[in-house]
Amino acid sequence: DIQMTQSPSSLSASVGDRVTITCRASQSISSYLNWYQQKPGKAPKLLIYAASSLQSGVPSRFSGSGSGTDFTLTISSLQPEDFATYYCQQSYSTPMVTFGPGTKVDIK
Amino acid sequence: EVQLVESGGGLVKPGGSLRLSCAASGFTFSSYSMNWVRQAPGKGLEWVSSISSSSSYIYYADSVKGRFTISRDNAKNSLYLQMNSLRAEDTAVYYCAREIDYDSSGFLDYWGQGTLVTVSS
Repeated sequence: DIQMTQSPSSLSASVGDRVTITCRASQSISSYLNWYQQKPGKAPKLLIYAASSLQSGVPSRFSGSGSGTDFTLTISSLQPEDFATYYCQQSYSTPMVTFGPGTKVDIK
Repeated sequence: EVQLVESGGGLVKPGGSLRLSCAASGFTFSSYSMNWVRQAPGKGLEWVSSISSSSSYIYYADSVKGRFTISRDNAKNSLYLQMNSLRAEDTAVYYCAREIDYDSSGFLDYWGQGTLVTVSS
């Protein structure tokens, strides 16, 4: 099974900050990496697919990069509505996908 | 507008059964693979099961294999998850999600609001 890790597990940031979240796979997954945002009590929302493709309707301040085993999600200027938990997900072994443990972004 | 609405969750005793449903609308349901993903209270996301558009391909996580059965009715635009031999560790919010096939892989672009399953005596 492909294991996913994320760092940090949580972070505190201010509105306007640049935020970077890292995701690492236990083996190479090419660019088969997706990112989701989840707010408390809500369903996850797709942000980025195939490592760097922005899902329709998602603000351009979100971006993704990486390939192989190391990936990043960057929020260029954190907005109040961005405080949430972010999950990476490998789809290399689709449909048996696995998610990272999540990174919680809260207000400093 | 794409909508996925889960139902059927509730409180069940260990060893019991429950059947979840997911009603889809706003898209051609029969053209998409569908998934169930769960989230235990305060925990992360765990993929549970997947079914292809025509039900030809079905997959399960090891944690539910042999106990859960995924199915769909394309005429009714509905997805199901039959859960048997439930355990305390199956307690979670269960989400249905639409899968987009992309470059020999896929991603989950729409999710329902979830239905809570609680397994407790």
